[in-house]
Amino acid sequence: DQQVKQNSPSLSVQEGRISILNCDYTNSMFDYFLWYKKYPAEGPTFLISISSIKDKNEDGRFTVFLNKSAKHLSLHIVPSQPGDSAVYFCAASAINSGYALNFGKGTSLLVTP
Amino acid sequence: EAQVTQNPRYLITVTGKKLTVTCSQNMNHEYMSWYRQDPGLGLRQIYYSMNVEVTDKGDVPEGYKVSRKEKRNFPLILESPSPNQTSLYFCASSPATGKFGEAFFGQGTRLTVV
Repeated sequence: DQQVKQNSPSLSVQEGRISILNCDYTNSMFDYFLWYKKYPAEGPTFLISISSIKDKNEDGRFTVFLNKSAKHLSLHIVPSQPGDSAVYFCAASAINSGYALNFGKGTSLLVTP
Repeated sequence: EAQVTQNPRYLITVTGKKLTVTCSQNMNHEYMSWYRQDPGLGLRQIYYSMNVEVTDKGDVPEGYKVSRKEKRNFPLILESPSPNQTSLYFCASSPATGKFGEAFFGQGTRLTVV
């Protein structure tokens, strides 16, 4: 049973515009939420995270928003750049489960010039 | 350079022939794990290890074994591979301190079982 869901397999955005990637989760025990970015032929790389006690975390062009009541989080990329084209995985973890990461299926982002 | 190294990167094998995929990290991380990535299914955890001699099953452990005899190494063993284990495999490590959940991934091993 998928506990972390990314319902949009793909997203296409023009360079300079905002990219919004969405993620839903079902397990209310999750404490941390993370976004990973993956290029072809490479392993995923950590992008940004947020604790369940916060509702926003910002790092440069990347901002993650968390809505606990809706069990929803989103990643905003502003402005989008062609180099941002990659697969983005949403992940969640619970402290009492150690460091196990539950991943969504991923969203493929294409930023066009 | 801090890294997680997997070997081999590509492997084609036959059903039933035992194989081992090695994983080594040079960051002194306590936590290590194995994932498989399949089309339409994302990344699923196979096994993880909290520290030396401490391992536990993830979401899809059937058909796999692991060991953690040294902190830096976490090999994945397929005793009798089957075609449904054809997949892209990633090893990852995380420190016990620092950003919770931040994992460092290897470059992946693409395994084909025929």
